[in-house]
Amino acid sequence: NAGVTQTPKFQVLKTGQSMTLQCAQDMNHNSMYWYRQDPGMGLRLIYYSASEGTTDKGEVPNGYNVSRLNKREFSLRLESAAPSQTSVYFCASGGLGGRSYEQYFGPGTRLTVT
Amino acid sequence: GEDVEQSLFLSVREGDSSVINCTYTDSSSTYLYWYKQEPGAGLQLLTYIFSNMDMKQDQRLTVLLNKKDKHLSLRIADTQTGDSAIYFCAERDPGGYQKVTFGIGTKLQVIP
Repeated sequence: NAGVTQTPKFQVLKTGQSMTLQCAQDMNHNSMYWYRQDPGMGLRLIYYSASEGTTDKGEVPNGYNVSRLNKREFSLRLESAAPSQTSVYFCASGGLGGRSYEQYFGPGTRLTVT
Repeated sequence: GEDVEQSLFLSVREGDSSVINCTYTDSSSTYLYWYKQEPGAGLQLLTYIFSNMDMKQDQRLTVLLNKKDKHLSLRIADTQTGDSAIYFCAERDPGGYQKVTFGIGTKLQVIP
């Protein structure tokens, strides 16, 4: 099992450019999440998907869109990148089967917007 | 909403015990987690405890929960240099949406 995979690992964008961060999980989890991690801020939830076909805003959704393509894949799109979106982005998944609802994280995408 | 607080930094000598502390706000029954993040990597679940428990032990890790004070701690016995990382305390949203609120992380530095 690969667990949670993310692509790309690194990306540099110019202000105003767009891009999509890809995430896939092979653990048959229902829930998937996108977080951003900034120094001194911990992890902040951008969007989540409790099940295939549903998405909901998290704490910091502005400037982002998501698509739950199928049970395995959950993508994050930046339509017009801004320097404030320079961050490390983590995708995570979590299962209904486990009572503790722990989340499993991908390795992260390091995004710089100039 | 949930709020999880933890100190930013802890430095210990190799072989000593480390104690990382966390406070949370929600008093509902829920799960509390400890995650570890090594440099350049994602978060890895270390252990978790349900809020009706007082303690959980797993090899070198001991989790203590003081429900009255809403205080959670992670003790690492015989701390090794490989334990150097950022440790995140997290609380599951008891509302059932499977959301988790993370603290800002405590950076543990182990001095050889």
